[in-house]
Amino acid sequence: SAVISQKPSRDICQRGTSLTIQCQVDSQVTMMFWYRQQPGQSLTLIATANQGSEATYESGFVIDKFPISRPNLTFSTLTVSNMSPEDSSIYLCSVATGTGDRGAFFGQGTRLTVV
Amino acid sequence: GQQLNQSPQSMFIQEGEDVSMNCTSSSIFNTWLWYKQDPGEGPVLLIALYKAGELTSNGRLTAQFGITRKDSFLNISASIPSDVGIYFCAASLNSGYALNFGKGTSLLVTP
Repeated sequence: SAVISQKPSRDICQRGTSLTIQCQVDSQVTMMFWYRQQPGQSLTLIATANQGSEATYESGFVIDKFPISRPNLTFSTLTVSNMSPEDSSIYLCSVATGTGDRGAFFGQGTRLTVV
Repeated sequence: GQQLNQSPQSMFIQEGEDVSMNCTSSSIFNTWLWYKQDPGEGPVLLIALYKAGELTSNGRLTAQFGITRKDSFLNISASIPSDVGIYFCAASLNSGYALNFGKGTSLLVTP
């Protein structure tokens, strides 16, 4: 398994501002994903972070609102832009090696509250 | 993504009892995973299943990948208070692909 560190672990932000969440993995991984978990809900995929190219977004999520970077095989960022209270959620980074891997692994999450 | 149907939504049991939860889908998946999430934490992988019909154990946990590739179950034997948490099933077309999640089963265990 991979060790995944997310920063910050939590934050309280003013509406209209932006927050960048960092995800650092202790080994090179093929696939990195970002998920959102709204209060009391399940996890929903935001996008797949592609190394060296633009992220692939799921229906309902757009690059202007959730820009993603992935400069190498161990690091990715997710920015939540122009935040509103509806963006209050836990944001989770996930990784999979893609071959011979026994599952997908998650960071501890970033708990975001927008006021 | 494809929503998985997970049941039951919640369970309230006594310590020592066995627990069973399951997950179904209208689509075929080639990977089924079970996670546990504690408050304030990310999901922790419990069991991964890659072959239809596969039955895998991890301590007191046992999970099976349904033969139709459209379902999976998780059993917990002799539950203990630290089993409390939310259990999620997840599935994908293949290992390394993005996951579809169930809505979770909230488990409460009384001493």
